[in-house]
Amino acid sequence: EVQLVESGGGLVQPGGSLRLSCAASGYTVSVYWMGWVRQAPGKGLEWVANINQGGREKNYVDSVKGRFTISRDDATDSLHLQMNSLRAEDTAVYYCVRDRCCVGNSKGWHDYWGQGTLVTVSS
Amino acid sequence: DIQMTQSPSTLSASVGDRVTITCRASQSVSIWLAWYQQHSGKAPKLLIYQASSLENGVPSRFSGSGSGTEFTLTISSLQPDDFATYYCQQYDNYPLTFGGGTKVEIK
Repeated sequence: EVQLVESGGGLVQPGGSLRLSCAASGYTVSVYWMGWVRQAPGKGLEWVANINQGGREKNYVDSVKGRFTISRDDATDSLHLQMNSLRAEDTAVYYCVRDRCCVGNSKGWHDYWGQGTLVTVSS
Repeated sequence: DIQMTQSPSTLSASVGDRVTITCRASQSVSIWLAWYQQHSGKAPKLLIYQASSLENGVPSRFSGSGSGTEFTLTISSLQPDDFATYYCQQYDNYPLTFGGGTKVEIK
């Protein structure tokens, strides 16, 4: 059974940093793209970032470029999101996702989701 | 960025009803579109990918259609567990983008 378990969320002041982690199990982690999707309280879904197998290709939504860094450690079947210079608008539940990628010229879609970890940026 | 627009934003329906949700893209995304279901307080779940391919384990009352800029998600006979919020997402280009969601409520 595929499982994705996030950790590392919490309350942080504006300008602060936080590192999210996702422990993956139940499949061969190294052969899949992975990513993060967030959801602000009472709002819709927003894709944040993804990373390919091996970690050489990384993609980000513009609003987090230069502040967030996605990484993976296939030796420990884990995914990370280093979040720096946090802003109030980064407050959200952050979901770890497995991406099934790709068909033709398409990117990947999210076939498994974790339960999410809440990040609150507030003074 | 490709903008995804869903309609309606809220839908009231009864058990057994046929329900259709529309998703429009601001430019062609070919067939690179997915649909997700999210119950309140829970993680989203993949229903449909590649516009019309049903994910394993998803009931056959769910179906997707469309290509280019216009897509639909249809639930042929609404069941109690189907009251939830539904999101479309394009994966043709970065950044991947979601529609604003359609909440299906009990009438």
